[in-house]
Amino acid sequence: GQNIDQPTEMTATEGAIVQINCTYQTSGFNGLFWYQQHAGEAPTFLSYNVLDGLEEKGRFSSFLSRSKGYSYLLLKELQMKDSASYLCAVRLYSGAGSYQLTFGKGTKLSVIP
Amino acid sequence: DAGVIQSPRHEVTEMGQEVTLRCKPISGHDYLFWYRQTMMRGLELLIYFNNNVPIDDSGMPEDRFSAKMPNASFSTLKIQPSEPRDSAVYFCASRSGTVASTFGSGTRLTVV
Repeated sequence: GQNIDQPTEMTATEGAIVQINCTYQTSGFNGLFWYQQHAGEAPTFLSYNVLDGLEEKGRFSSFLSRSKGYSYLLLKELQMKDSASYLCAVRLYSGAGSYQLTFGKGTKLSVIP
Repeated sequence: DAGVIQSPRHEVTEMGQEVTLRCKPISGHDYLFWYRQTMMRGLELLIYFNNNVPIDDSGMPEDRFSAKMPNASFSTLKIQPSEPRDSAVYFCASRSGTVASTFGSGTRLTVV
């Protein structure tokens, strides 16, 4: 079966750096996504890794190691508005050219002054 | 584009009643997904469509759940009869090809 693990909650200070880890055990791996979800809102796309290495987008970076089944999301210069849940999602190839996302349960990040 | 549009935003219904959730995907997107989110289980894929055809419905919890996509601009998720354990936020998402999915604002369903 598919298994995606990430910490349930994390707390960090405004202006600091935080790293949210995600490990996965899946078959048919075809990429890893990170989504941000504010309370009561829809998930919104943050980043995507299909090859090993680091992808940087402004204050956010995402890293992938396919051999280790491991990814992390790095948030720099934390702001209060970064308080949200961060969802790790693995894209799986399900045959006939079709792909689907399987999500972890999310990490609730609280940014404190 | 207005994004993925879901209705209603909130639904409160009594156990045993039929519930219909609606979704309008982004124009031109050929994939449509229905997800359910709860605190206990997180975000779970229920069913997805490609070019209006259901591809994988293995996530649909039981026969009380059904989904249709009669055309490229409309999909429904129906629960009949509804039960309290169906209470959750139901999201619809769409995408084109292999790019990231865009989610609708969700329908918060409460079955009492």
